[in-house]
Amino acid sequence: NAGVTQTPKFRVLKTGQSMTLLCAQDMNHEYMYWYRQDPGMGLRLIHYSVGEGTTAKGEVPDGYNVSRLKKQNFLLGLESAAPSQTSVYFCASRGPYSNQPQHFGDGTRLSIL
Amino acid sequence: AQSVTQLGSHVSVSEGALVLLRCNYSSSVPPYLFWYVQYPNQGLQLLLKYTTGATLVKGINGFEAEFKKSETSFHLTKPSAHMSDAAEYFCAVTFYGNNRLAFGKGNQVVVIP
Repeated sequence: NAGVTQTPKFRVLKTGQSMTLLCAQDMNHEYMYWYRQDPGMGLRLIHYSVGEGTTAKGEVPDGYNVSRLKKQNFLLGLESAAPSQTSVYFCASRGPYSNQPQHFGDGTRLSIL
Repeated sequence: AQSVTQLGSHVSVSEGALVLLRCNYSSSVPPYLFWYVQYPNQGLQLLLKYTTGATLVKGINGFEAEFKKSETSFHLTKPSAHMSDAAEYFCAVTFYGNNRLAFGKGNQVVVIP
């Protein structure tokens, strides 16, 4: 069972470059999420989606964009990368009910030089 | 709005000793509570959850947690620590109809042989 798959696993960018992180889930989940994890900060929500074609801002959305063109995919874009965006990024998905757990991918480790 | 407090970012425990990780939440409505574990270079994995019903919840790997409404707590315990329990642990809260999880900042558990 693949669950939630994130690509790439590692990436190094230069300041000002752009890139897209891909998240794919095979559980037919409606809800999908992008988080960033920084030491001592826990997980912070960047953007999320409650279904195909929808997106919403989380607590730290600045500098990021997202798209959910297909139900199984949720893309996170950095238009002009900054060193402050160096982090580990996690994607998660969830079923239709709020008492269901979120399922996480293994993360993308991104360094901005 | 809901929030979670986890005190003590780093917790050291001797092998074979009790593991106790404290989680206090803030929620104006009945909460759904989760504990996740994160092993190095991996995503978060669900340990256990409380939604309704029995307040003592058993999870994987011998962990359990008790929901105490009067104390707004959901502390995680394991009677006897094993070396494989070394990981980071996160408490999270949401409620009925909510799309988002609020995470604590995590506890890094170190097991001393």
